[in-house]
Amino acid sequence: NAGVMQNPRHLVRRRGQEARLRCSPMKGHSHVYWYRQLPEEGLKFMVYLQKENIIDESGMPKERFSAEFPKEGPSILRIQQVVRGDSAAYFCASSPRAPSGGQETQYFGPGTRLLVL
Amino acid sequence: GNSVTQMEGPVTLSEEAFLTINCTYTATGYPSLFWYVQYPGEGLQLLLKATKADDKGSNKGFEATYRKETTSFHLEKGSVQVSDSAVYFCALSEWTGNQFYFGTGTSLTVIP
Repeated sequence: NAGVMQNPRHLVRRRGQEARLRCSPMKGHSHVYWYRQLPEEGLKFMVYLQKENIIDESGMPKERFSAEFPKEGPSILRIQQVVRGDSAAYFCASSPRAPSGGQETQYFGPGTRLLVL
Repeated sequence: GNSVTQMEGPVTLSEEAFLTINCTYTATGYPSLFWYVQYPGEGLQLLLKATKADDKGSNKGFEATYRKETTSFHLEKGSVQVSDSAVYFCALSEWTGNQFYFGTGTSLTVIP
C-alpha cells in the first residue's frame, strides 16, 4: 500500500513567487491535514480538510496561504508571494476517518522542504 | 492550552545502550499520546500510542506509559540498535480537536 505522497520533495522559490505543494493521501483516506515545521521547532497544525471542504483552518496564516482538497486529485497547499519566513518543511497527513476522541492516527508523508531565496 | 515538551537532543548512544527520551505534556482535557519516528529522508511513522491513563504503548522494543499524575509519556528502549537512529517526536491529540500537537523532536544517533 502506498503511503501518503507529497511532491515536490524540495522546492526553491524567490521572494514574491508562488509555491504549490501537493499531497495525495493514502488510499481510502478522505481526511487530510497540513502541518508546518519551522527550523528548530516542532510540527505546527495549519489546516484540516475533507473532500471539498475545509473543516478547521485555525492554524493557517490569514494572508497568502490557502488550501484545497478537490473531489478529484491531490490536496494543494498554496502560498502566494512567498517570503523568507515561509522557508520550512511542510508535512501532509491523512486519516481514514474524522478525528474521534483523539484516537484517530494520522499517517504522514515525507514532507516538502520549501526554501525561499 | 495544549503543548508538548520534549527532551532536547541530539542524543548519541552506543549500540545496546538503554534509551530514554523524556516527554511531558499540557492538555486541557483527556488527550491521546503518540510517539512518531522519522528516519532520514522519510515521513513521520507512528511508533506507538496510548489513549488513556496508565496505558502502555509498545512497538519494536520501544515502550511508553501514559502517566497522568506526572503528565508524562517517556519513550524507552532497553537495547538500541544502529537502525534506531532517527528523529523521535512526541505528540498529543485532544479528544475534542482535529490536530496533533508535537514536540520539537529528539535526534538519536546510535553508534556501533
